[in-house]
Amino acid sequence: AQKVTQAQTEISVVEKEDVTLDCVYETRDTTYYLFWYKQPPSGELVFLIRRNSFDEQNEISGRYSWNFQKSTSSFNFTITASQVVDSAVYFCALNSGAGSYQLTFGKGTKLSVIP
Amino acid sequence: DAGITQSPRYKITETGRQVTLMCHQTWSHSYMFWYRQDLGHGLRLIYYSAAADITDKGEVPDGYVVSRSKTENFPLTLESATRSQTSVYFCASSVLGLGEQFFGPGTRLTVL
Repeated sequence: AQKVTQAQTEISVVEKEDVTLDCVYETRDTTYYLFWYKQPPSGELVFLIRRNSFDEQNEISGRYSWNFQKSTSSFNFTITASQVVDSAVYFCALNSGAGSYQLTFGKGTKLSVIP
Repeated sequence: DAGITQSPRYKITETGRQVTLMCHQTWSHSYMFWYRQDLGHGLRLIYYSAAADITDKGEVPDGYVVSRSKTENFPLTLESATRSQTSVYFCASSVLGLGEQFFGPGTRLTVL
């Protein structure tokens, strides 16, 4: 069975602070993919990143960075110098292709960036 | 416009009525998915399709029917709506089964 845990339900930070969103996953498959999605207040789901289980290199994209550690089954997401526009619910997800190719989502972390 | 669209964006219906939610994508992606999003449950897969005329159940398929006669369309039908089907429904598509899924804007359905 697959499972994704986002232990932080809500986080509030002041603008320009750095913030890390935690994601821990469980799967018995050796090949799998991890994802992060952003859901702003408008409601759409925006794809941010996809990583495969064989690539543990950290990824940086502008103010966003991701840290993938297989040893701890974690795929954490850091926003540097947060901005008000970063306020959203962020979802971590896992897909191992088991059966339906469904994305198994965590419950999400609501990030509020206060000006 | 290119992308993935859903219609209607908002729908109010009554218990027992049949409702069809439409999903259309212009990318010719092979895979398409229907999820529902509920507070406390997150996003859960209802049905998915690997190609035209190939569909299969996801995690919560009861009460729903899908079809996919054309690659670009993947309608979801609630045969006899129940109040427990009040939710936000998202359609998604992907080139690969394990690829990133791109989501439509969602349909907010209320069943009275």
